[in-house]
Amino acid sequence: EAQVTQNPRYLITVTGKKLTVTCSQNMNHEYMSWYRQDPGLGLRQIYYSMNVEVTDKGDVPEGYKVSRKEKRNFPLILESPSPNQTSLYFCASSWTGDDGYTFGSGTRLTVV
Amino acid sequence: AQTVTQSQPEMSVQEAETVTLSCTYDTSESNYYLFWYKQPPSRQMILVIRQEAYKQQNATENRFSVNFQKAAKSFSLKISDSQLGDTAMYFCAFMKLKGGVTGGGNKLTFGTGTQLKVEL
Repeated sequence: EAQVTQNPRYLITVTGKKLTVTCSQNMNHEYMSWYRQDPGLGLRQIYYSMNVEVTDKGDVPEGYKVSRKEKRNFPLILESPSPNQTSLYFCASSWTGDDGYTFGSGTRLTVV
Repeated sequence: AQTVTQSQPEMSVQEAETVTLSCTYDTSESNYYLFWYKQPPSRQMILVIRQEAYKQQNATENRFSVNFQKAAKSFSLKISDSQLGDTAMYFCAFMKLKGGVTGGGNKLTFGTGTQLKVEL
């Protein structure tokens, strides 16, 4: 089944404790992106990647890191999480970007 | 920068009726794509419909259709014969055409969403 897999689905952590949210797609997509969803704000792009080793900042990159060492994986790293990073996070992938993204199931992150 | 506005935070409709969700956007681009995504309580983001701005014909997908008014920068979604399973948050989204102004990795710019409830 073609899909984008994110893990974990739920995570509660403490301020300052490094964490990684994994994302993997099995569709050989070139484009991958991370979004965060907050009430009243819709979804906002954090980082994106257009291919292996090619990544760049989106609209809200502060406090996040990403890497794209393999085509299928695009992990999101929070080096020192803070409470304002409590949010619902989505990974998404696409062939060309303009064909519409396939989204993962989301990761609900709570930083206390 | 592009902005997407969904002015209806919540809507409700009776089962089997028709409902229209509104979306307006602001851009200086002439070529772009528009999307509607559905987010049911499971929180999965599901692509409902896609429209290419250079195509005048409105996109349709089964019970879902759009009214694309390029000059007015309006992109509304019509759901016919509403079903209980259509209950969800609906997001309108904009994407610049690849090959235009670079940056953003073909970023989707989302509106704030419209929560639709289908009632018996």
